[in-house]
Amino acid sequence: GQNIDQPTEMTATEGAIVQINCTYQTSGFNGLFWYQQHAGEAPTFLSYNVLDGLEEKGRFSSFLSRSKGYSYLLLKELQMKDSASYLCAVRDGGNYQLIWGAGTKLIIKP
Amino acid sequence: GAVVSQHPSRVICKSGTSVKIECRSLDFQATTMFWYRQFPKKSLMLMATSNEGSKATYEQGVEKDKFLINHASLTLSTLTVTSAHPEDSSFYICSARVNMGAKNIQYFGAGTRLSVL
Repeated sequence: GQNIDQPTEMTATEGAIVQINCTYQTSGFNGLFWYQQHAGEAPTFLSYNVLDGLEEKGRFSSFLSRSKGYSYLLLKELQMKDSASYLCAVRDGGNYQLIWGAGTKLIIKP
Repeated sequence: GAVVSQHPSRVICKSGTSVKIECRSLDFQATTMFWYRQFPKKSLMLMATSNEGSKATYEQGVEKDKFLINHASLTLSTLTVTSAHPEDSSFYICSARVNMGAKNIQYFGAGTRLSVL
């Protein structure tokens, strides 16, 4: 079956670094996405990985290992506004639909 | 990024009434749009895939006659919740797929919070 696992909740300190992991088991693979969702708002696109390795974009980086079915989102120099849920989604190779993880709620403390 | 506009942002209605939600791609054409439903502290649940000029593809368990989807143009898809009941209260989010080569990123509207009394 299709399955995406993320931790339910994480806590980190302002100014620190946090890594949010995502493991997936899907019938096909055509890219992995990370989205940020603030409470009561819609998700916003953060990153896309389709090849193994690290993609860096400012304070946010995303890593993918296709052989391990594993990705992580790395957030540096954490700010209070980074408090949000972070959703991992895998695009199924067959029908191009996104399969969503349940999201990781990140709490930033001063 | 691409802009997707969703309206209204919040609806409160009486049981038995119908509610229409609009989703527009403002600066690009979207042949494919998606409608999601999200329960509190849960992930996104895909309801249907809306294709311009053809019938929507509904996910298993989603009632076609209950959730009417129309994708009449390349920039507009609508979701109508017919004869709404309290159990239909939820956060509904649309997204539109932007064709960017292999990426095909989905951009989301701001969501509609529906409360049925």
